[in-house]
Amino acid sequence: NAGVTQTPKFRVLKTGQSMTLLCAQDMNHEYMYWYRQDPGMGLRLIHYSVGEGTTAKGEVPDGYNVSRLKKQNFLLGLESAAPSQTSVYFCASRPRTAPRETQYFGPGTRLLVL
Amino acid sequence: SQKIEQNSEALNIQEGKTATLTCNYTNYSPAYLQWYRQDPGRGPVFLLLIRENEKEKRKERLKVTFDTTLKQSLFHITASQPADSATYLCALAIMNRDDKIIFGKGTRLHILP
Repeated sequence: NAGVTQTPKFRVLKTGQSMTLLCAQDMNHEYMYWYRQDPGMGLRLIHYSVGEGTTAKGEVPDGYNVSRLKKQNFLLGLESAAPSQTSVYFCASRPRTAPRETQYFGPGTRLLVL
Repeated sequence: SQKIEQNSEALNIQEGKTATLTCNYTNYSPAYLQWYRQDPGRGPVFLLLIRENEKEKRKERLKVTFDTTLKQSLFHITASQPADSATYLCALAIMNRDDKIIFGKGTRLHILP
């Protein structure tokens, strides 16, 4: 099992450009999450999904959109990137059934917006 | 809103001693509380979970306690080793809202040889 994978690993964008971050998991997990991690701020939840076709807002959703068209994939989109979106983005997943509490994280995507 | 505070940004401990990290929370009672380890350039890795009705949990050299009166969890690493150096994150799931998990900012632990 690859677990949780994220694509790309690193990206540089100019202000106003768009991009999509891909998260894929092969553990058949129902729940998936997107977090951003900034120095001194910890992990903050952007959006999450409790199942295919459903998404919900987290703490810091503004400027991001998500889609969960397939159970194994959770996409995070930036329509018009801003320097404030420079961060490390982590995807995580967990199952709905036991052991349901543990989140499995991907390796992260480092995004720099100039 | 729910807040989590990890009391130290960084902690230096001599090898062989016990490292103790603190996590405090406010407002709602969590359904459970978790501890994760994060190494530089990597995603967090789950270590231990403790539920609201549990006082203590152990796993090898790790021990977690949960005091719902103090609204605090303590994370202990006994016989600490340089390989234990990492950032440790506390996370809690809100009662009846455990599809959301809130993370603390983390404590950077340095085990000095």
